[in-house]
Amino acid sequence: GAVVSQHPSRVICKSGTSVKIECRSLDFQATTMFWYRQFPKQSLMLMATSNEGSKATYEQGVEKDKFLINHASLTLSTLTVTSAHPEDSSFYICSATRGESVYTFGSGTRLTVV
Amino acid sequence: GQNIDQPTEMTATEGAIVQINCTYQTSGFNGLFWYQQHAGEAPTFLSYNVLDGLEEKGRFSSFLSRSKGYSYLLLKELQMKDSASYLCAVRDRSNYQLIWGAGTKLIIKP
Repeated sequence: GAVVSQHPSRVICKSGTSVKIECRSLDFQATTMFWYRQFPKQSLMLMATSNEGSKATYEQGVEKDKFLINHASLTLSTLTVTSAHPEDSSFYICSATRGESVYTFGSGTRLTVV
Repeated sequence: GQNIDQPTEMTATEGAIVQINCTYQTSGFNGLFWYQQHAGEAPTFLSYNVLDGLEEKGRFSSFLSRSKGYSYLLLKELQMKDSASYLCAVRDRSNYQLIWGAGTKLIIKP
């Protein structure tokens, strides 16, 4: 149990376009989802925390208008990178929890902006 | 402030034992997690400690001392596939966020 599906796994987009990444909890209801980005050889950097039905809480330095997060249901959260630029190229990972000691990660999305 | 420290890199030999330490200073504490991450992949859960003591799970064990702000992950009978980064994370008491260490890259040599 506790499976999180994230897609796409890889995406290449042109500079200035937007990309949507989906994160779904398949067999449990995720009360809270987290979005991270990770640069090569670095640890996870929390971008935002989202609770179903409410606005996401963004970490300091993360532009909420650039990284739009929607958590419309207990099983789905989306991250949209708007007007992407090459510096947004990174590995984006979602994690979901239902409030217990289980945090399940999606498989990650490798975004390359050209 | 919030701070989690773990060594940047460690090297060990196949078949041996290695201990990866993690020290933390956080404003709240509601459990400590260890995750394994292979390059280019998402982290996978290894262990969770909320009470002091040792939790054993097969070849992997994790220890916690809350009074010392200290944990370690012990890997026995090392295999080449254990080459990965090992991430220590502390859960904040109030909002379920995980505060992450920078990770320890473990290199296994034959």
